Amino acid sequence: DVKVTQSSRYLVKRTGEKVFLECVQDMDHENMFWYRQDPGLGLRLIYFSYDVKMKEKGDIPEGYSVSREKKERFSLILESASTNQTSMYLCASSIQGTPAVTQYFGPGTRLLVL
Amino acid sequence: GNSVTQMEGPVTLSEEAFLTINCTYTATGYPSLFWYVQYPGEGLQLLLKATKADDKGSNKGFEATYRKETTSFHLEKGSVQVSDSAVYFCALRRYNQGGKLIFGQGTELSVKP
Repeated sequence: DVKVTQSSRYLVKRTGEKVFLECVQDMDHENMFWYRQDPGLGLRLIYFSYDVKMKEKGDIPEGYSVSREKKERFSLILESASTNQTSMYLCASSIQGTPAVTQYFGPGTRLLVL
Repeated sequence: GNSVTQMEGPVTLSEEAFLTINCTYTATGYPSLFWYVQYPGEGLQLLLKATKADDKGSNKGFEATYRKETTSFHLEKGSVQVSDSAVYFCALRRYNQGGKLIFGQGTELSVKP
């Protein structure tokens, strides 16, 4: 079974702190994604990566950065956390291929910024 | 641009009722269409998918048919169970979008015994 794990299920941080969210997949997938999930808005793509050290901005990259130094690990960084970044963050991975490939999701990290 | 619109929730049904969750999309070309489900406290998992017009995806008693003429991909189940209570997301992916999914806002389903 494909497994996508995220470093924390719940996280509480203070405004201005630097926050690291880690995601690891064990299926040698090329593509990895970070989404945030907010009620009424569905999932919105923050960043994605299709190879080691490669990244592309998604729909809402402002205030975030990412790092992919190893194929299995994709990190989301909040450089200076703000209260409007309180949200559920979901990581996903997939192989490269046709548009029909499945994305596999981690359990999510619920981040509260005070 | 590309977008997905789902019916608003929450949807509350009694066990064994018929379920329809509407999903319509806007996209050029021929996107692939997906339904993902999120059970309480979990991440999303793929429920079913369809890759071309008139394809029917099905899984766990759920079905959805890719209707290009109405740009729709409605999710249906003939008899829901309490265990189907979850949030359901419709999504699309275009061929040249590097694997990116575009999600609808999600529809929460609550099934009462």
